[in-house]
Amino acid sequence: AQKITQTQPGMFVQEKEAVTLDCTYDTSDPSYGLFWYKQPSSGEMIFLIYQGSYDQQNATEGRYSLNFQKARKSANLVISASQLGDSAMYFCAMNPNNYGQNFVFGPGTRLSVLP
Amino acid sequence: KAGVTQTPRYLIKTRGQQVTLSCSPISGHRSVSWYQQTPGQGLQFLFEYFSETQRNKGNFPGRFSGRQFSNSRSEMNVSTLELGDSALYLCASSPQTGGLWGALKANYGYTFGSGTRLTVV
Repeated sequence: AQKITQTQPGMFVQEKEAVTLDCTYDTSDPSYGLFWYKQPSSGEMIFLIYQGSYDQQNATEGRYSLNFQKARKSANLVISASQLGDSAMYFCAMNPNNYGQNFVFGPGTRLSVLP
Repeated sequence: KAGVTQTPRYLIKTRGQQVTLSCSPISGHRSVSWYQQTPGQGLQFLFEYFSETQRNKGNFPGRFSGRQFSNSRSEMNVSTLELGDSALYLCASSPQTGGLWGALKANYGYTFGSGTRLTVV
């Protein structure tokens, strides 16, 4: 069965510094997609970044980059130049077969950005 | 463009009752998925509908059901509510089309609504 592990329940980072949120995954499917979502207190899930299993390069979206290490089955999110508005829950997710939408989510990491 | 709309935003029901939640996807999106989020179990996939057919199903009891209409709007129903059904229910839509490019487009286009917070008392 597919599984996502996020070992950091909570993280603190100083404003303007970079932070890495850890994510490891387990799947036997050769084709899959990895995602990071941000969930502020309002509850809405906000898409941050996507990495396909066959992508050769690490994905980047503005201040977000995904450190994809396929052999280690890890997909860590790096946020550069943290902002106060980055304080939220962050979820790592996997779409196991890359077709259709039946995501598996990790337990999440609560990030707090300190002024 | 309008996002994914979920109604109602908040709901309070009594144990044993049934409830219907609604999700209107982004215009042109044909896939709608539902998720349950609780503090204890986290985010769990319920089911996905595509072109009015259930395409994927999570591991939930038969009390949880859904459907999709020809305009891609979706509803989920929970019968015989239990206290443990109290949760944030999120739906998401995507512009899934065929082929590899369609799948990539679907992944980038996967958009969540703000959720319906259901409280069972």
